[in-house]
Amino acid sequence: GAVVSQHPSWVICKSGTSVKIECRSLDFQATTMFWYRQFPKQSLMLMATSNEGSKATYEQGVEKDKFLINHASLTLSTLTVTSAHPEDSSFYICSATPGLAGGNEQYFGPGTRLTVT
Amino acid sequence: GQNIDQPTEMTATEGAIVQINCTYQTSGFNGLFWYQQHAGEAPTFLSYNVLDGLEEKGRFSSFLSRSKGYSYLLLKELQMKDSASYLCAVRAIKAAGNKLTFGGGTRVLVKP
Repeated sequence: GAVVSQHPSWVICKSGTSVKIECRSLDFQATTMFWYRQFPKQSLMLMATSNEGSKATYEQGVEKDKFLINHASLTLSTLTVTSAHPEDSSFYICSATPGLAGGNEQYFGPGTRLTVT
Repeated sequence: GQNIDQPTEMTATEGAIVQINCTYQTSGFNGLFWYQQHAGEAPTFLSYNVLDGLEEKGRFSSFLSRSKGYSYLLLKELQMKDSASYLCAVRAIKAAGNKLTFGGGTRVLVKP
C-alpha cells in the first residue's frame, strides 16, 4: 500500500523557537495533504488542507501565521510551528491522498511528537 | 457543519465480538471511514462505506445506513492486539480534497 513518511518522529524544542515537520508521500503523488494535531486521548483535529502549488486552507481557529504550511511538490508538504510555546506540544500527523484517480483513502504518516519546553 | 458521535470506551473479552456505533449528521454525505489507532501511532485504514449495507473484511465488518446517519464497526474473534482506538470519519461532498471529519474515537480494551 501507499506509504507516507514524516520527519522527525519526535522533537523537543525551547519555547520561542520554530520547528519544521516534513511529510512525504514515498510511492505516489499526493495532490492533497492534510495536517492534523492530536492531544492525548483525543481524536484527530484537522488543522489545514494543503494542495500542491497553492495556499493551504486552514480550519477555523487555526492560526495561519503560526502554523506555516508549504506544499512545494506532489510528494512533500511541510508544517512549520513558529514561535512554539508549551501549549503547542502535541502529536502532529499528516495524511496524503492520491486524489480521485488513486481512490478514496487517506494514507497517514507515522506522526511527529512535538514537546516544547 | 458535521457532528459525529461514538462511545468513548468499550471493554470486551478476548474471542468475543464488539460493535462500535457511530452516528453522524452532515450535509452532502460522501463516505464514511473507520480507522484503527494504537497509542502513539498513526491511524490505519480499516474500512470505507459509501452505500448502505455491510462490508466485510476478515474479522472486521462495517455497516452503513445513510437514512439513519448511522454506522457500526464489528470486530469478531477479538484478539489482545485489537486493543486500540477506533475512529469514525465522515467525508462531505463539498469537502475540498477528500477532507475528513473525525469523531472522538472509541477506546477498546480487550481483556484476557
